[in-house]
Amino acid sequence: GAVVSQHPSRVICKSGTSVKIECRSLDFQATTMFWYRQFPKKSLMLMATSNEGSKATYEQGVEKDKFLINHASLTLSTLTVTSAHPEDSSFYICSAVSEGAINEQFFGPGTRLTVL
Amino acid sequence: AQSVTQLGSHVSVSEGALVLLRCNYSSSVPPYLFWYVQYPNQGLQLLLKYTTGATLVKGINGFEAEFKKSETSFHLTKPSAHMSDAAEYFCALTGGFKTIFGAGTRLFVKA
Repeated sequence: GAVVSQHPSRVICKSGTSVKIECRSLDFQATTMFWYRQFPKKSLMLMATSNEGSKATYEQGVEKDKFLINHASLTLSTLTVTSAHPEDSSFYICSAVSEGAINEQFFGPGTRLTVL
Repeated sequence: AQSVTQLGSHVSVSEGALVLLRCNYSSSVPPYLFWYVQYPNQGLQLLLKYTTGATLVKGINGFEAEFKKSETSFHLTKPSAHMSDAAEYFCALTGGFKTIFGAGTRLFVKA
């Protein structure tokens, strides 16, 4: 149980294009999902917290217009990197929390984004 | 303020030797503490967690950790390292709602 998937696992795009990453909780309802960014050989940096049906809460320094987050259902959150540039290349990881276990996150496998 | 400090960005052990990865934390509320492992280009896998109750927690793959409130520590140990243990390990704290991660420790296992 408690499986979180991400799609795609790897994406390469041209500079200036937009990329959408999906995060799904497969066997539970996720009231809250988190999006993290991980730079090479670094720890996870929280980008934003998304709650189903409401606007995401972004961490300081994260551009909300660049990283659009939508949490339209209890099993799906999407992160769209708009007008991607090479500096946006990174490993993006989502996690999901169920209503019954708010202190434990279940992580997706991550998405490797490379912007050329 | 809450923080997590992992001592040693790299730890190298021989196969069969004891593994000790150090984690200290700071929290103004009772913390929930976690250890995660990450293999290259993969997400995080939960090794073990401490919430309440028994301070010595056992996890998967033979790992265990002890919550020591007086020392604000949650060190991860394994009696005998295996080559497959080579990975990045993250200590994390949840106090309230957000999770804070340590900087990570890369474990190398020598044959």
